[in-house]
Amino acid sequence: DTEVTQTPKHLVMGMTNKKSLKCEQHMGHRAMYWYKQKAKKPPELMFVYSYEKLSINESVPSRFSPECPNSSLLNLHLHALQPEDSALYLCASSQDLSGSPQEQYFGPGTRLTVT
Amino acid sequence: AQSVTQPDIHITVSEGASLELRCNYSYGATPYLFWYVQSPGQGLQLLLKYFSGDTLVQGIKGFEAEFKRSQSSFNLRKPSVHWSDAAEYFCAVGGGTNAGKSTFGDGTTLTVKP
Repeated sequence: DTEVTQTPKHLVMGMTNKKSLKCEQHMGHRAMYWYKQKAKKPPELMFVYSYEKLSINESVPSRFSPECPNSSLLNLHLHALQPEDSALYLCASSQDLSGSPQEQYFGPGTRLTVT
Repeated sequence: AQSVTQPDIHITVSEGASLELRCNYSYGATPYLFWYVQSPGQGLQLLLKYFSGDTLVQGIKGFEAEFKRSQSSFNLRKPSVHWSDAAEYFCAVGGGTNAGKSTFGDGTTLTVKP
């Protein structure tokens, strides 16, 4: 199984709402990633978890809060977002972060609209 | 610092024609190079990767890429394009002390004419 799943596919939320994005993989990967992608742009790295510990935070605003409850699951908690946060949020996983960079397996993404 | 340039923002080819998408990278040591494809509204799918060894790399869906160190390039090719190849293509480079970070190019949009 080389699939990364993400729920929900689409999410519309107001600026005062709290919501969560979920990501799951069953490939035994120990590194998991959150990316933000605007239309016609490359993915921008937000967070990286390695062995359930936060390894990289690319200076993301605190209204985005990641969580890795176990090696298969990755959440992104959203609170008090701004309209400019509307984007496609992609989750990815890779074997781990040791040694050489490895290919990342991406989920289909969650299309987020902030109203 | 590592960087990736994809000089062509948009390319249009006829179905059945050959394709070459350009990628130039900047990196101080041996780079780890990737090509990903993204269909509209979807996640990214790895087409192929280069870490070391043979500089001509075969990937999925009939794609190949050639690593040329002297030109700092990793161009993607396909001998005969199918309509289903229409998508966004991203070249990426990884490496250095932080294995979690890959730098993506801005992407090339491929349109396929019938």
